[in-house]
Amino acid sequence: KAGVTQTPRYLIKTRGQQVTLSCSPISGHRSVSWYQQTPGQGLQFLFEYFSETQRNKGNFPGRFSGRQFSNSRSEMNVSTLELGDSALYLCASSRDLGGGEKLFFGSGTQLSVL
Amino acid sequence: GQQLNQSPQSMFIQEGEDVSMNCTSSSIFNTWLWYKQDPGEGPVLLIALYKAGELTSNGRLTAQFGITRKDSFLNISASIPSDVGIYFCAGLNTGTASKLTFGTGTRLQVTL
Repeated sequence: KAGVTQTPRYLIKTRGQQVTLSCSPISGHRSVSWYQQTPGQGLQFLFEYFSETQRNKGNFPGRFSGRQFSNSRSEMNVSTLELGDSALYLCASSRDLGGGEKLFFGSGTQLSVL
Repeated sequence: GQQLNQSPQSMFIQEGEDVSMNCTSSSIFNTWLWYKQDPGEGPVLLIALYKAGELTSNGRLTAQFGITRKDSFLNISASIPSDVGIYFCAGLNTGTASKLTFGTGTRLQVTL
């Protein structure tokens, strides 16, 4: 059974640009969550999607957005990139909404903003 | 954003030694989780704890859910080289879906 797949694996952008990251959950999983990992702030929850609807949101500015498609695949978008957005962005999936203890994480997308 | 306090921040141990680390929070959680993250990978769940005072084992790993619901402990017995990595605790409350609050992490290095 394939795990959570995130693309691309690495990304380099410059300040002011926007970026879109993609996540394919484990087959049969309908909930997708996104986390940001940085050396300073650690792992921080961004948002969770289920049935194409955002169900929960962390404390991030509106520049961070996401969406989920009917096949449960999810994308997150960061607009007007700032240097501080450099981070490892992790996607996690679970079978159902609220399956926090049953999350499976992908390997992440390492974003560098120059 | 909030992070849970983990200690120690890092540790060097010899193969075969036992390891202990803990995690504290200023707020209560209904569920405590322990994850391990290897370089270049996402966190992998090691142990989940659901009840205050609960002691749960998974092979050489043993974790406890603190009575106050504000802390948790993880012990690794007879460490081996593949135990190297970063260990994170995480707290979860009912109703917050998959919004985990993670700890600051403990980096474990094992020497032969």
